[in-house]
Amino acid sequence: RKEVEQDPGPFNVPEGATVAFNCTYSNSASQSFFWYRQDCRKEPKLLMSVYSSGNEDGRFTAQLNRASQYISLLIRDSKLSDSATYLCVVRPTDSWGKLQFGAGTQVVVTP
Amino acid sequence: GAVVSQHPSRVICKSGTSVKIECRSLDFQATTMFWYRQFPKQSLMLMATSNEGSKATYEQGVEKDKFLINHASLTLSTLTVTSAHPEDSSFYICSADPRLSGGIEAFFGQGTRLTVV
Repeated sequence: RKEVEQDPGPFNVPEGATVAFNCTYSNSASQSFFWYRQDCRKEPKLLMSVYSSGNEDGRFTAQLNRASQYISLLIRDSKLSDSATYLCVVRPTDSWGKLQFGAGTQVVVTP
Repeated sequence: GAVVSQHPSRVICKSGTSVKIECRSLDFQATTMFWYRQFPKQSLMLMATSNEGSKATYEQGVEKDKFLINHASLTLSTLTVTSAHPEDSSFYICSADPRLSGGIEAFFGQGTRLTVV
C-alpha cells in the first residue's frame, strides 16, 4: 500500500466552479500535512499547510481528518490559473526532513 | 524565504555517460539536503539524504554506487548519475532541510529533467 494516495484525476472543472479532492495517508503517527502545487514537471511549491482545525487561504480550504487519515483540498471559484497537479505531502513524526508525497491530483480548469 | 538553486534544468546524455546535478543553497547554510526522483505520473520518491561532511544516507533500493552524492560544503550538494541508462531518465529534484529556514516548509530546487538516449 502506498504511504500517501491520491485520485490522479484529471478533474475537469469549469471556470468559476468548485472542486474538491482528498488524499489518504497510511502512517497514523504522521505529524504535518501540506498541499503543494506542481506545474508541468517543475518544482513543487507550497500551497498551504493543513491544520487539525482546518484552514482557509483565499479560495482554498484544507481539512484534516486524523481519525480517518485523510486530508482534503477545496478550491472555490476556480480560475484558469488553478490548472495544475496538486500534491498531498505528509511528514512522518520520526523523520523531520523526509517528506512523503502523493502522486498528485490533476486539475484542469476550462473556460 | 530560503532559495535553493539547481542546475542544470535539463540534460540529455548518451547511455553510459555520467551526469552531475548541482544543488546550491543561496541564502542559508544547508547541512542537510534531500534528493528526490519523480517518474511520469508518479510521486516524488526520496532517493537519499545528503549530509555535509559525511556520507549520504540512501533509501532502500537506491544504488549508492550509481547515484553518487557529495556534500562537501554548506552551500553545495551534488548528485552524479554514473553510467546512465535510459531507465534513469527522470525528473531529479533537491530540497533543503526545512528546519534551516526556521519553518516547516521545504524549499525545492528547480529540478533537473534527465533524458538518457
